[in-house]
Amino acid sequence: DAKTTQPNSMESNEEEPVHLPCNHSTISGTDYIHWYRQLPSQGPEYVIHGLTSNVNNRMASLAIAEDRKSSTLILHRATLRDAAVYYCILRDESSYKLIFGSGTRLLVRP
Amino acid sequence: EAQVTQNPRYLITVTGKKLTVTCSQNMNHEYMSWYRQDPGLGLRQIYYSMNVEVTDKGDVPEGYKVSRKEKRNFPLILESPSPNQTSLYFCASSLLAGGYNEQFFGPGTRLTVL
Repeated sequence: DAKTTQPNSMESNEEEPVHLPCNHSTISGTDYIHWYRQLPSQGPEYVIHGLTSNVNNRMASLAIAEDRKSSTLILHRATLRDAAVYYCILRDESSYKLIFGSGTRLLVRP
Repeated sequence: EAQVTQNPRYLITVTGKKLTVTCSQNMNHEYMSWYRQDPGLGLRQIYYSMNVEVTDKGDVPEGYKVSRKEKRNFPLILESPSPNQTSLYFCASSLLAGGYNEQFFGPGTRLTVL
């Protein structure tokens, strides 16, 4: 599985949008871009995933660069509950596992 | 409610005393997996199962066993636990194994081996 690079930490104010970047310059054509998050003392939680086109769901939006070498997870209005470690993960369509990097720790200020 | 459950949530044991951590999902998922999470090392896969009676090693399988006799259950067995298996364990499941499937994680089991 290809490697991803994320900032170690980011901060945001409550009610403001948050853009979490992820670089994946070695992505292959069959790699899906997944985002998971892990709230304190909980198991990882699926957020969103995409292949080529931007994706929206009730939790977030995923913006994928045209060359697919980077992507951005967008939380439209951060809440205190969004404080978590966010993991950007590439998964080939035949992959049997998630390879978690160190992720981005998001701090949300009230 | 669709969920992955693990038991126990917390366990303190001693070296060499066999233990089993249970994992169950109610979503009729074919794929199940075990991960361990350690500070500085992140989450690493221990074993996975593509379906009933089909299991395979992940990245860190040493010291662990698994079985998949029923679709909903995927227990993790430590035959002779050692202190280096002190960790936070997560079970996960997904409908299928492919990279487009989201994985659902259990709440975790914190294991301490003295």
